[in-house]
Amino acid sequence: EADIYQTPRYLVIGTGKKITLECSQTMGHDKMYWYQQDPGMELHLIHYSYGVNSTEKGDLSSESTVSRIRTEHFPLTLESARPSHTSQYLCASSESRPPYEQYFGPGTRLTVT
Amino acid sequence: AQTVTQSQPEMSVQEAETVTLSCTYDTSENNYYLFWYKQPPSRQMILVIRQEAYKQQNATENRFSVNFQKAAKSFSLKISDSQLGDTAMYFCAFMREGAQKLVFGQGTRLTINP
Repeated sequence: EADIYQTPRYLVIGTGKKITLECSQTMGHDKMYWYQQDPGMELHLIHYSYGVNSTEKGDLSSESTVSRIRTEHFPLTLESARPSHTSQYLCASSESRPPYEQYFGPGTRLTVT
Repeated sequence: AQTVTQSQPEMSVQEAETVTLSCTYDTSENNYYLFWYKQPPSRQMILVIRQEAYKQQNATENRFSVNFQKAAKSFSLKISDSQLGDTAMYFCAFMREGAQKLVFGQGTRLTINP
């Protein structure tokens, strides 16, 4: 079944640790996105990708980095986690043609202690 | 740059009532797409309904319908016969033709009370 997956769903980690949030989609979509969202608050785009080997920074500055080596995979990495990184991270994907709707993963809730 | 405004941070209605969530946007483009997304508490964001700007007819999906006023740049969502499961954050979103990313509104937290 075509879908978009994120792992882990929940992560509690200490300050200074390196973390990678995984995102995979089986829909063959060219575009993928990472959003940061505090609970019950608005979405902030932090990274996006048009396709393999393309990545762009979003509207909200983030210390995280992303890579797109395979179409279906768009991991997000924090080299040194800090308490200010505590948030929910949502991954999404979409086609490059209309109607452009985005499909969202279940999210990763990150807590940095 | 395009902007999307949801002027109602929170709304609360009784079950079975009809509720309308407002959304306005600012753009000089003629070809674009509008979306309403639903994010239930601790659950996945899903698409509720979409509207293509070139279509005059308002989109409808079961109990969900929109009032698309292109000249007024307004895109409200009406939920009829509201159910407890409609409790969620609702986000309005805009995308112009050929753009790379959606522009989201701030969200409206809707609570359906029994």
